[in-house]
Amino acid sequence: GAVVSQHPSWVICKSGTSVKIECRSLDFQATTMFWYRQFPKQSLMLMATSNEGSKATYEQGVEKDKFLINHASLTLSTLTVTSAHPEDSSFYICSATPRMGNTEAFFGQGTRLTVV
Amino acid sequence: SQKIEQNSEALNIQEGKTATLTCNYTNYSPAYLQWYRQDPGRGPVFLLLIRENEKEKRKERLKVTFDTTLKQSLFHITASQPADSATYLCALHTGNQFYFGTGTSLTVIP
Repeated sequence: GAVVSQHPSWVICKSGTSVKIECRSLDFQATTMFWYRQFPKQSLMLMATSNEGSKATYEQGVEKDKFLINHASLTLSTLTVTSAHPEDSSFYICSATPRMGNTEAFFGQGTRLTVV
Repeated sequence: SQKIEQNSEALNIQEGKTATLTCNYTNYSPAYLQWYRQDPGRGPVFLLLIRENEKEKRKERLKVTFDTTLKQSLFHITASQPADSATYLCALHTGNQFYFGTGTSLTVIP
């Protein structure tokens, strides 16, 4: 099946700094990528949907200035957590679909962010 | 408001029995409903998809049903094995987005 690689798999950063997480589709072109956040023992919460070459669509309650998403190419989307705070500590997961309306999403391995 | 709820947070069953997980949703009209497996610290892995005009779908020991009138999907694992222990998530595909249910943690006891 299709492979989505997410990097880094874990990161620890100081409060106030910014962290960038990369999501790459390795063997297909992803017109659409999704970013999720997951707290312990909870489900995935969709943060935003990004389409290549256009601005991301953020879900209600997600601060777009806090979570910057860039989908500059068909194989790469990045999520930057700006001015991170301890409450931003979470598991962040990306997923990608090969084309608009595709029926299956392929997920990255996830990134464990800890802000100290 | 839109909600996707799965029957219970945790389900324990004996090895060899059939596990049945429930996914109920409100205020969505999904074109597809999917089930994913998630192991701790990992991203979800796709298992099965069922379309709105399909009643049932099978894949090996897995079976999914979809009732758009009840707004419910049932996910069955027959002849369960300890290796089936994981969290199972249902996901609705509406428009160009995927929304996930609350998840059910399944433990198969040897």
